[in-house]
Amino acid sequence: DAGVTQSPTHLIKTRGQQVTLRCSPKSGHDTVSWYQQALGQGPQFIFQYYEEEERQRGNFPDRFSGHQFPNYSSELNVNALLLGDSALYLCASSSWGGWTGNTIYFGEGSWLTVV
Amino acid sequence: DAKTTQPPSMDCAEGRAANLPCNHSTISGNEYVYWYRQIHSQGPQYIIHGLKNNETNEMASLIITEDRKSSTLILPHATLRDTAVYYCITGGGADGLTFGKGTHLIIQP
Repeated sequence: DAGVTQSPTHLIKTRGQQVTLRCSPKSGHDTVSWYQQALGQGPQFIFQYYEEEERQRGNFPDRFSGHQFPNYSSELNVNALLLGDSALYLCASSSWGGWTGNTIYFGEGSWLTVV
Repeated sequence: DAKTTQPPSMDCAEGRAANLPCNHSTISGNEYVYWYRQIHSQGPQYIIHGLKNNETNEMASLIITEDRKSSTLILPHATLRDTAVYYCITGGGADGLTFGKGTHLIIQP
């Protein structure tokens, strides 16, 4: 049983460019959340998707957007990249209502470096 | 801001039990306590979670006080591979899981 898978694992982008990160949730999970983890910090919640809609959002600008597909996989898009967007981007999957008692699993993340 | 307070670092001897404390005095009635750990450059690994009863699984035990304002994660027989940053998190609000800085647990040989 595959866990949460993310791609790519590492990438380098130039300031001002756009990036798309991808996530496939654990089998049986229908909810995907995205987190940003800067070096030396804990992960910060970006947003959560369920039934192809953004359900909750953290304190991130509109440059951060996402999408969920009918097969529950998800994409995170970041436009107009800034140097400060350099971070590990984590995908977490769960069943709907994850933090009300369901187990939440994280992928290994995508390392984004903006130069 | 994180809703939990943890010591920034702890040491434990290999083979001994590691007891990691966490304060969550503002936890609400429907919020669970989750524990994750993260080894450098990897995604957070789920350990255990609970609401108010003590929980145990193959990795650890979770002891939650009766007033639910604090909890302790217990790794019964620590190994060198348990060296990691351990996050205690309470969930149930509208802002996802709020991670703090966690506890850097160092297992000494």
